[in-house]
Amino acid sequence: DAKTTQPTSMDCAEGRAANLPCNHSTISGNEYVYWYRQIHSQGPQYIIHGLKNNETNEMASLIITEDRKSSTLILPHATLRDTAVYYCIVRVGTSGTYKYIFGTGTRLKVLA
Amino acid sequence: GAVVSQHPSRVICKSGTSVKIECRSLDFQATTMFWYRQFPKQSLMLMATSNEGSKATYEQGVEKDKFLINHASLTLSTLTVTSAHPEDSSFYICSIPGQGAYEQYFGPGTRLTVT
Repeated sequence: DAKTTQPTSMDCAEGRAANLPCNHSTISGNEYVYWYRQIHSQGPQYIIHGLKNNETNEMASLIITEDRKSSTLILPHATLRDTAVYYCIVRVGTSGTYKYIFGTGTRLKVLA
Repeated sequence: GAVVSQHPSRVICKSGTSVKIECRSLDFQATTMFWYRQFPKQSLMLMATSNEGSKATYEQGVEKDKFLINHASLTLSTLTVTSAHPEDSSFYICSIPGQGAYEQYFGPGTRLTVT
């Protein structure tokens, strides 16, 4: 069963920040949160991951609440090419047996 | 550049036949590879974990005799859909763990259509 819940879809104006929420209220203490995106008919692309601290890279920022029950992916200046399905994923298992459990994802549409 | 390749990118086969999908790690050796299935407008569902030199680990509800997995080398895993039926039509995607095992690199996917 998926350990994450996300809104089904969101729209964002081009050039504005896109904030994509994710709920993972049953996450365990050692389980990481990952974000991937999938453009139509392609394999998912890694965006960012975190455990409990906020993270930032060249693509996005990840804000994780102190209780770790939810997180938000922020695309600071969305472009039309950011239109995709964004998956918030919890990595489960132990070293050597990790696996991803995908949620339903959020379909983000960036509008011109 | 691409880290993982899949072949073929799309395939059409007749009901009752078998089809093999290859997943190759291009940049580094992978003792583990993952196979996912994705139906239209749905999320990815993990089917099995492919282990080099040993049997694959299948997720609950996935028939191991129907979806044969062979991890022949550290750079190649194959998924064979045996006796395919129209309901097996789907997008099949493989992935490999990254070097630090923090992320997975996904292949471009194989679209299977069974007529």
